[in-house]
Amino acid sequence: EAGVAQSPRYKIIEKRQSVAFWCNPISGHATLYWYQQILGQGPKLLIQFQNNGVVDDSQLPKDRFSAERLKGVDSTLKIQPAKLEDSAVYLCASSLRQGFYEQYFGPGTRLTVT
Amino acid sequence: SQQGEEDPQALSIQEGENATMNCSYKTSINNLQWYRQNSGRGLVHLILIRSNEREKHSGRLRVTLDTSKKSSSLLITASRAADTASYFCATDAGYSTLTFGKGTMLLVSP
Repeated sequence: EAGVAQSPRYKIIEKRQSVAFWCNPISGHATLYWYQQILGQGPKLLIQFQNNGVVDDSQLPKDRFSAERLKGVDSTLKIQPAKLEDSAVYLCASSLRQGFYEQYFGPGTRLTVT
Repeated sequence: SQQGEEDPQALSIQEGENATMNCSYKTSINNLQWYRQNSGRGLVHLILIRSNEREKHSGRLRVTLDTSKKSSSLLITASRAADTASYFCATDAGYSTLTFGKGTMLLVSP
C-alpha cells in the first residue's frame, strides 16, 4: 500500500514569510497527525485530527500556525508569519483510528527559516 | 513537553552485540511505543506494548514495561550495521496522542 505522502520535501523561506505543507495519509486512515521535529529532539505533536475534526491542538502556536483537514482526507499545515525558531522538520503521520494502533509517518518537510 | 526520556543518549557497539536502551516517563500511560528513525526510511514504528503487558517480542526486538517504575527497555539482539539509527520511545496517555522522548542514537560498527 502507498505510504503517507508529503510535499514539499524541502523549503527555505525568510522570516515573516508564509509557508504551507501538504499531507496525504494512507487510504482509509481516520486519524492524522502533524508533528514538529527540531534537530536533536524527538517529534512534538502539533495537532491531531480524527476524520475532519480536531482532537488535540494544545501545542499548536495558534497565533501563527493553522491546519485543516478537508473532507477527512488530505491536510495542510500553514505557518504565517514564520520565525527563525520554526526551522524544523514537519512530519505528517496517520493511523487507522484512535486506540492501540501504530502511526505511519511520511518523509517530512525540512523547513529552513533565514 | 517531552515525557519519555531515553538513556543512554548515544550508544556505540559492534555487529553481533546486543543493544539495550531505556526509557523513563512521568505520568500514567495507556501504551508505550518504540520508533526508529534513520535518514533512509524516516520514522518507523517498531513495537507497541500496552500498560497491562510486561514483555513483548518481535523478531530481534524485546521490549519490557514496568509501570510501577514508569520505565521501559528496548533490547536489540545480534545487532547489524543496518540497525544504526535513532530510537525513540513514545508514550500514549490516551486518545492516541504520543509524546516522544529525545531518543537514543545507536551506532553499530561492522
